[in-house]
Amino acid sequence: EVQLLESGGGLVQPGGSLRLSCAASGFTFSSYAMSWVRQAPGKGLEWVASMSGSGGSTDYADSVKGRFTISRDNSKNTLTLYLQMSSLRGEDTAVYYCAKDQVYSGSYYPGYWGQGTLVTVSS
Amino acid sequence: EIVLTQSPATLSLSPGERATLSCRASQSVSTYLAWYQQKPGQAPRLLIYDASNRATGIPARFSGSGSGTDFTLTISSLEPEDFAVYYCQQRSNWPGLTFGGGTKVEIK
Repeated sequence: EVQLLESGGGLVQPGGSLRLSCAASGFTFSSYAMSWVRQAPGKGLEWVASMSGSGGSTDYADSVKGRFTISRDNSKNTLTLYLQMSSLRGEDTAVYYCAKDQVYSGSYYPGYWGQGTLVTVSS
Repeated sequence: EIVLTQSPATLSLSPGERATLSCRASQSVSTYLAWYQQKPGQAPRLLIYDASNRATGIPARFSGSGSGTDFTLTISSLEPEDFAVYYCQQRSNWPGLTFGGGTKVEIK
């Protein structure tokens, strides 16, 4: 069974940094692209970043480019996706979800999601 | 950047009625479009991929159609558990993706 468990959220001051983690199990982690998607309170879904299974390809939303870094550890004992967030702003306040791509014939969509971790940026 | 516009923002219907949700892309995404359902306090759930294919375990009352820039999600007969927010999402330029603003289906 696919399981994704996010952690690392909390309260941080504007300008501060935070690292989110997403522990994965139940699938061959290195074979799947992963994404971070966020949702501000009462708002819609916003894609943040994605990374290929090998880690060789990444992409970021313009709103976080240069401030956030997605990474992953595919080693046997540490199947984890990360999101390093710096220069945080109030508008980064959101629930952050990690999601695993579901692979179809030539297409890929976030098919499995964790339950999310809340990041609050406030002084 | 491809922008997805969903309409209407809110749909007020009764159980048993048919729901028709629209998603329009600012440029062609071919059929690289998905639909998600999200209930309060829960993570999104993938319903439809590649515009018209139901994901595993999704009931047949959910159907998707469209290609290019215009897409539709139809719920043939609303069940009580279908009242939720629905998002479209495009992935024509992997690994990036974008979501629409969402349509809330509420009980009339």
